[in-house]
Amino acid sequence: KAGVTQTPRYLIKTRGQQVTLSCSPISGHRSVSWYQQTPGQGLQFLFEYFSETQRNKGNFPGRFSGRQFSNSRSEMNVSTLELGDSALYLCASSLDGPSGNTIYFGEGSWLTVV
Amino acid sequence: SQKIEQNSEALNIQEGKTATLTCNYTNYSPAYLQWYRQDPGRGPVFLLLIRENEKEKRKERLKVTFDTTLKQSLFHITASQPADSATYLCAPPGGTGNQFYFGTGTSLTVIP
Repeated sequence: KAGVTQTPRYLIKTRGQQVTLSCSPISGHRSVSWYQQTPGQGLQFLFEYFSETQRNKGNFPGRFSGRQFSNSRSEMNVSTLELGDSALYLCASSLDGPSGNTIYFGEGSWLTVV
Repeated sequence: SQKIEQNSEALNIQEGKTATLTCNYTNYSPAYLQWYRQDPGRGPVFLLLIRENEKEKRKERLKVTFDTTLKQSLFHITASQPADSATYLCAPPGGTGNQFYFGTGTSLTVIP
């Protein structure tokens, strides 16, 4: 079974630009969540989508947005990029079981803002 | 607010010894907790999940305990090997859905 796939793997953007990152979950997984990882802050939850609806949202500004398609694939967008947005963006997918959901991560998209 | 703390950012041990990593949480009582391994530049890899009614869980050389009274989980790697060198993260759930709080991680180095 293929794992979580994220594209692109690496990208460099200029401050003020916008970026879109893509995530294909494990087949059969309907929950997709996004995390930002930086050396200083660790892994921070951005948002989670389930059946095309945002189910949870972390404490990030409105410049960070996402969406999920009917095939469970998800995208996240960051507008008006700032230098501090440089980070590893991780997507994770999960089955939505009754108790104890395990989330499985992709390899991440490295974003550098210059 | 909920807080997750993992012991010392870095832990160095000799090959063959048992590594013990600590995860403490405050201000809430998670129903379960997960442990992940992360190698540099890679996404975290799921290792073990332990529920509040399970005192201990094992998988090969890995053992996790969950003490709801102490609000603490311990992660043990027995007979450690250099290949075990990585950052280990604990992650209890945060609220509804699949939102998780991640500790800052403990960087383990196993010295040959």
